[in-house]
Amino acid sequence: QSALTQPASVSGSPGQSITISCSGGGSDIGAYNYVSWYQQHPGKAPKLMISDVSNRPSGVSNRFSGSKSGNTASLTISGLQAEDEADYYCSSYSTSNTLLFGGGTKLTIL
Amino acid sequence: QLQLQDSGPGLLKPSETLSLTCTVSGGSITTSQNYWGWIRQPPGRALEWIGSIYYSENTYYNPSLKSRLTISVDTSKNQFSLKLSSVTAADTAVYYCARHYFPNCDFDSWGQGTLVTVSS
Repeated sequence: QSALTQPASVSGSPGQSITISCSGGGSDIGAYNYVSWYQQHPGKAPKLMISDVSNRPSGVSNRFSGSKSGNTASLTISGLQAEDEADYYCSSYSTSNTLLFGGGTKLTIL
Repeated sequence: QLQLQDSGPGLLKPSETLSLTCTVSGGSITTSQNYWGWIRQPPGRALEWIGSIYYSENTYYNPSLKSRLTISVDTSKNQFSLKLSSVTAADTAVYYCARHYFPNCDFDSWGQGTLVTVSS
């Protein structure tokens, strides 16, 4: 199975909104609502930000939201803050009981 | 609060077997629906799922690693372990253990990560 496809980088100014896409196929994102998003700061373990396409775990800011259309999932961060600068990874369940991660997207706050 | 602590040797030679253990505290490894997974991240690169196990020893492996991989669980010690044989430099990575609810990919509790370097 190939990794999910994400843009290598995105950027935005404080207060703005950005969207990170995650492209898969009909055997992963398109077939199941098991899509998660992670935030990872340098030298730290990833942190779960979104599960089940659009659910926010307790404690995650409501500035983070997730969605899916067809074979593509998206993470939107509104009201960008300096602390949002990090790497973001999407993940999905795939057929044959495997889990996939995206290549990661580096978010830069301008 | 659930905590995961991964541990193991940080330096291996090519062809050796990588062995890591994750100790779970603040909760039971036999809790219903909890799966225990391993994820790795080569320096400067993306996350890669290695495999997951349920306390009943039901396991799921990344097909690209399956031939070299064994994940096991020790319920008496509240631990689960990873063994990856015949390592090469390509296996150099930070290895994380984490909890999720298979088949979901929602890893919500993570260990701190262990850097494993394969070098002659």
